[in-house]
Amino acid sequence: GAGVSQSPRYKVAKRGQDVALRCDPISGHVSLFWYQQALGQGPEFLTYFQNEAQLDKSGLPSDRFFAERPEGSVSTLKIQRTQQEDSAVYLCASSSATQSSYNEQFFGPGTRLTVL
Amino acid sequence: AQRVTQPEKLLSVFKGAPVELKCNYSYSGSPELFWYVQYSRQRLQLLLRHISRESIKGFTADLNKGETSFHLKKPFAQEEDSAMYYCALSGGAAGNKLTFGGGTRVLVKP
Repeated sequence: GAGVSQSPRYKVAKRGQDVALRCDPISGHVSLFWYQQALGQGPEFLTYFQNEAQLDKSGLPSDRFFAERPEGSVSTLKIQRTQQEDSAVYLCASSSATQSSYNEQFFGPGTRLTVL
Repeated sequence: AQRVTQPEKLLSVFKGAPVELKCNYSYSGSPELFWYVQYSRQRLQLLLRHISRESIKGFTADLNKGETSFHLKKPFAQEEDSAMYYCALSGGAAGNKLTFGGGTRVLVKP
């Protein structure tokens, strides 16, 4: 079946613009994660959903970052008033795991955001 | 706080030579450790996890709790092993979110 998909693959924004990044997880996957990967670094956790519930948003760097998954499937990461330091690859991953078990996280191709 | 450290940014080896990627972690409980790999123009994918104790594509990794290490090894590197490798830790909380190291780029020369 299809893997995790993300759109757009590339996004260029002017500083101060709002952006929305979309993630389509693998069908039926309960858990969904967002990670931020700055150039030359490993991915860093942003937020986690179990179905439609956002159970952990401790990694969101500021209140300009907002994520939602209203129907427990597709998720959107929104960044308001983008800053240059927001430039990174944003990765989405999904998993069939719940909080009590671990199953492999499957990653999407990422959205590369460049803020000018 | 949990942390994963990969001290080498780049490892360059010749085909057929052994390769070892170092990974050290800090975590107060009993973590699960993983190696993820990203080949050129491909997405991040799981290579192996310590709990499986498998050898994948000739790679093995042993969890050493005393040294808090999870080094990745392969006795004979192949050109197709050239990729970015990330060590990651899951603490079992928050849906098993992953904490990644900074990554090691492996270049296998012919």
